[in-house]
Amino acid sequence: DAGVTQSPTHLIKTRGQQVTLRCSPKSGHDTVSWYQQALGQGPQFIFQYYEEEERQRGNFPDRFSGHQFPNYSSELNVNALLLGDSALYLCASSFQPYNEQFFGPGTRLTVL
Amino acid sequence: AQTVTQSQPEMSVQEAETVTLSCTYDTSESNYYLFWYKQPPSRQMILVIRQEAYKQQNATENRFSVNFQKAAKSFSLKISDSQLGDTAMYFCAFMKHTFAGGTSYGKLTFGQGTILTVHP
Repeated sequence: DAGVTQSPTHLIKTRGQQVTLRCSPKSGHDTVSWYQQALGQGPQFIFQYYEEEERQRGNFPDRFSGHQFPNYSSELNVNALLLGDSALYLCASSFQPYNEQFFGPGTRLTVL
Repeated sequence: AQTVTQSQPEMSVQEAETVTLSCTYDTSESNYYLFWYKQPPSRQMILVIRQEAYKQQNATENRFSVNFQKAAKSFSLKISDSQLGDTAMYFCAFMKHTFAGGTSYGKLTFGQGTILTVHP
């Protein structure tokens, strides 16, 4: 049984560029949540997708957007990258939006 | 807004000994979950233990147990018989229950983390 998978593992971009991160949920899960984790900090909630719609959103600007596909996988898009967007981006999946979340290994984004 | 505070940036313990990690939270909600997650240097976040706020009994998972004090809004993690593989960053997390359109939603609010080092 595959757990949560994310791609790519690492990514280097320059300021102003756009990036897309991908997440496949654990088998049987239908909800995907995204978190940003700065170095040495706890993860911060970005948004949650359920039934292909954004259901909850944290305190992140509109440059952060997402999508959920019919197979429950999800993408996180970040436009107009800033140096401060450098972080580990974690995807977590759950069965239904209010159950325990299982995390993927993360994507390390570096913005130069 | 909910906040989660972990007041111990770093802790260390000898192998086979017991260590307790502290966590306090602030909320006006009555229905919520609390979690402890472990993030080893390999960075994959792993769920260690969970506690439902409506349950008075403290959760236990093998060597891991919690001391949940709802009135004090305290949720500490005790690790017994510490092992080298327990070395990791530990995060306390809170999930409140939100209803909308007939569906329940939850998002995790994390503390700042505690780095635990187990020494041989």
